[in-house]
Amino acid sequence: KQEVTQIPAALSVPEGENLVLNCSFTDSAIYNLQWFRQDPGKGLTSLLLIQSSQREQTSGRLNASLDKSSGRSTLYIAASQPGDSATYLCAVRPSGQGAQKLVFGQGTRLTINP
Amino acid sequence: DAMVIQNPRYQVTQFGKPVTLSCSQTLNHNVMYWYQQKSSQAPKLLFHYYDKDFNNEADTPDNFQSRRPNTSFCFLDIRSPGLGDAAMYLCATSRRGNTYEQYFGPGTRLTVT
Repeated sequence: KQEVTQIPAALSVPEGENLVLNCSFTDSAIYNLQWFRQDPGKGLTSLLLIQSSQREQTSGRLNASLDKSSGRSTLYIAASQPGDSATYLCAVRPSGQGAQKLVFGQGTRLTINP
Repeated sequence: DAMVIQNPRYQVTQFGKPVTLSCSQTLNHNVMYWYQQKSSQAPKLLFHYYDKDFNNEADTPDNFQSRRPNTSFCFLDIRSPGLGDAAMYLCATSRRGNTYEQYFGPGTRLTVT
């Protein structure tokens, strides 16, 4: 059974720092991995999707990498801003039966201090 | 803009009183999902529709039902809400293809009194 883990559960950094959020998964048989952002009391916003054949994806100040063989992904946020404060969740889409579903991690709650 | 819409955004119901949450989409996606998310937890998939085919998760309580009358709309019915059903309910959609990238609505916060 696929399991997704995000460490740390919470992270607080001063504004302007570059930071890395980590995601690990137990089964490398995945189609893709998605990173989401969730603001308090709101839905999920898709940030980046990496296909299993890709190594990384970039969008603005965000860069997500994928090492499928080791079961790891990272989300790099450059020059962090207070508006980046949110919970970040990663989710993998397993290969095989039920491939249209996602398995989520618990999320990392990020606070950027002005 | 194409989007996923959930109504209402906030719902208060009484213990044991049936409640229905609504989701609609203008993306014309063929897959629709319902998730339950409790505070500081990951979203938990309740069920999903692949076109008209209903797929229930094994651990979804019988108290939760769903209807999808057409491509655009999907409903979540909670037949007898308990205090433990208070949560955020998230609707998502995806399109058949090689990514199944999911797009989420803003969620409905359910309170049970």
